[in-house]
Amino acid sequence: GQNIDQPTEMTATEGAIVQINCTYQTSGFNGLFWYQQHAGEAPTFLSYNVLDGLEEKGRFSSFLSRSKGYSYLLLKELQMKDSASYLCAVMDSNYQLIWGAGTKLIIKP
Amino acid sequence: DADVTQTPRNRITKTGKRIMLECSQTKGHDRMYWYRQDPGLGLRLIYYSFDVKDINKGEISDGYSVSRQAQAKFSLSLESAIPNQTALYFCATQPGTGDTGELFFGEGSRLTVL
Repeated sequence: GQNIDQPTEMTATEGAIVQINCTYQTSGFNGLFWYQQHAGEAPTFLSYNVLDGLEEKGRFSSFLSRSKGYSYLLLKELQMKDSASYLCAVMDSNYQLIWGAGTKLIIKP
Repeated sequence: DADVTQTPRNRITKTGKRIMLECSQTKGHDRMYWYRQDPGLGLRLIYYSFDVKDINKGEISDGYSVSRQAQAKFSLSLESAIPNQTALYFCATQPGTGDTGELFFGEGSRLTVL
């Protein structure tokens, strides 16, 4: 079956760096997405990786290794507003998105 | 104004009632999706539509039906609501050109079935 694994919850300190990992097993691969979701709100797009390597976008970076079925989202200079859930999703061979359960990130002052 | 609008935003209903959740979009996207989200679970696909004449079941379509009235409108119906359909429901759109692309989500409809 298809599976996306990511930690349930992480805690980090304001101003620090945190890495949220995502591993996947899917039938085919057509890209990996990261979304941010604040409590009770809609998910919003953060990044898309289809080739191996690091994509940097401001304080956020996303890395992909297709051979390892692995991605991570790196958040730098953490701010309190970064407290949210981070959703990893993989597009499979049928171009359907398979979603992880999300990682709840708690930022402490 | 939001590009993807869901109504109602919150609804409390009783077991056995018929419920319709509506989604409209101004993004001009061909593809529309209905997901439900439950605590501790990932987003799960209920139904999706790639154009007005195209309707497809997702992984959890039982107990739900949809209607794509126009390119801009995609409605989700629960013919006879049951308590385990209590969840947060999201509509999403995606451009039809190309096979990749981010999803744009509505603000969500929180449904409680008593």
